[in-house]
Amino acid sequence: NAGVTQTPKFQVLKTGQSMTLQCAQDMNHNSMYWYRQDPGMGLRLIYYSASEGTTDKGEVPNGYNVSRLNKREFSLRLESAAPSQTSVYFCASSGAGTDTQYFGPGTRLTVL
Amino acid sequence: AQSVTQPDIHITVSEGASLELRCNYSYGATPYLFWYVQSPGQGLQLLLKYFSGDTLVQGIKGFEAEFKRSQSSFNLRKPSVHWSDAAEYFCAVEEDSGYALNFGKGTSLLVTP
Repeated sequence: NAGVTQTPKFQVLKTGQSMTLQCAQDMNHNSMYWYRQDPGMGLRLIYYSASEGTTDKGEVPNGYNVSRLNKREFSLRLESAAPSQTSVYFCASSGAGTDTQYFGPGTRLTVL
Repeated sequence: AQSVTQPDIHITVSEGASLELRCNYSYGATPYLFWYVQSPGQGLQLLLKYFSGDTLVQGIKGFEAEFKRSQSSFNLRKPSVHWSDAAEYFCAVEEDSGYALNFGKGTSLLVTP
């Protein structure tokens, strides 16, 4: 049982490049989330998906898009990366809205 | 919107000493409250959570937290800290939407010999 997995672990991009961060969970959870973590800022919600086929914006959605590919997978796409998107990105999942969220190990992204 | 405040950015305690990490929230109703721990380079692990009922909740690794409605607080405690407890601790409140967590900015714990 792997829990929540994220790929890649590390990534360096140049300004303007695009990339997709992958997230998968094997716990049959309905809800999935993308957060970014910046020093002194805690975790901030980018997007979430309450169930397969639905997505909603969080606190900091600008510059990102998401896809809930199926119940297991929830990807985050940066269409044109900017230095302000340098951060650590965490994916999480939960069984229901008030249930415990389980976090992946994170993706450390640097945009030059 | 709900907000979560962790007043202490850094805390240093000696190994074996007691620990209390503070968390205050702003929310009209009884919130769902969580404490997570993050070791360096790792993801977040749930320590404990409060939904309802007994206001003193027990978690993993010997941690406990007490919900005090009158003070809008959910402080995390441990009677005797171990060196392995050095980490970043995050308090979180369930968002109004019912689907996402609103995190505090974290408290970094350093444990000295």
